[in-house]
Amino acid sequence: SQTIHQWPATLVQPVGSPLSLECTVEGTSNPNLYWYRQAAGRGLQLLFYSVGIGQISSEVPQNLSASRPQDRQFILSSKKLLLSDSGFYLCAWSVEFRRYYGYTFGSGTRLTVV
Amino acid sequence: AQSVTQPDIHITVSEGASLELRCNYSYGATPYLFWYVQSPGQGLQLLLKYFSGDTLVQGIKGFEAEFKRSQSSFNLRKPSVHWSDAAEYFCAVGAPGGATNKLIFGTGTLLAVQP
Repeated sequence: SQTIHQWPATLVQPVGSPLSLECTVEGTSNPNLYWYRQAAGRGLQLLFYSVGIGQISSEVPQNLSASRPQDRQFILSSKKLLLSDSGFYLCAWSVEFRRYYGYTFGSGTRLTVV
Repeated sequence: AQSVTQPDIHITVSEGASLELRCNYSYGATPYLFWYVQSPGQGLQLLLKYFSGDTLVQGIKGFEAEFKRSQSSFNLRKPSVHWSDAAEYFCAVGAPGGATNKLIFGTGTLLAVQP
């Protein structure tokens, strides 16, 4: 069966420090991968998506970057965190809509920048 | 580009009462439509989805949703709410076809259930 792992679950980082959040998928190949951020009262905002190794599309300009070094690995990074980067980060994967019926989400990472 | 509006930020209902959460979308054709639920501090779980065909779709946990093309709506309903339904609910829209399968989410509706 397909599973998605996301870590760490919680993270407290000082302003200006680097960030690396990792997401891995098991049980499928060539998934589409997504990073969303959830800020209080603002719903889920799509940050990045990837349809293949090394292929990254950014949806909004920001202080973050993403990489996909392997087929089932998706990494969210920052060189210097800002206070505004605080939020709940969710990784998700999908194959094809009609066959898989949408996304499977990870359990999320709560990032607090202090 | 597609968009989703959930006009109700917060709703409180009594246990056993009926529930309807509103969702309106903007898209040039018939999109794929989804409802997800999120418990505090957790990821999102799929409740139900609509692709085509019967406009009334059944989901898990006793939820259903009705697609109304004329109103560009996909409202979520449950005839009798349980205390365990307290959570945040997100409507999402996706564009059929293409390779990206991007989903655009609404801002969510937080449901509180009174005893």
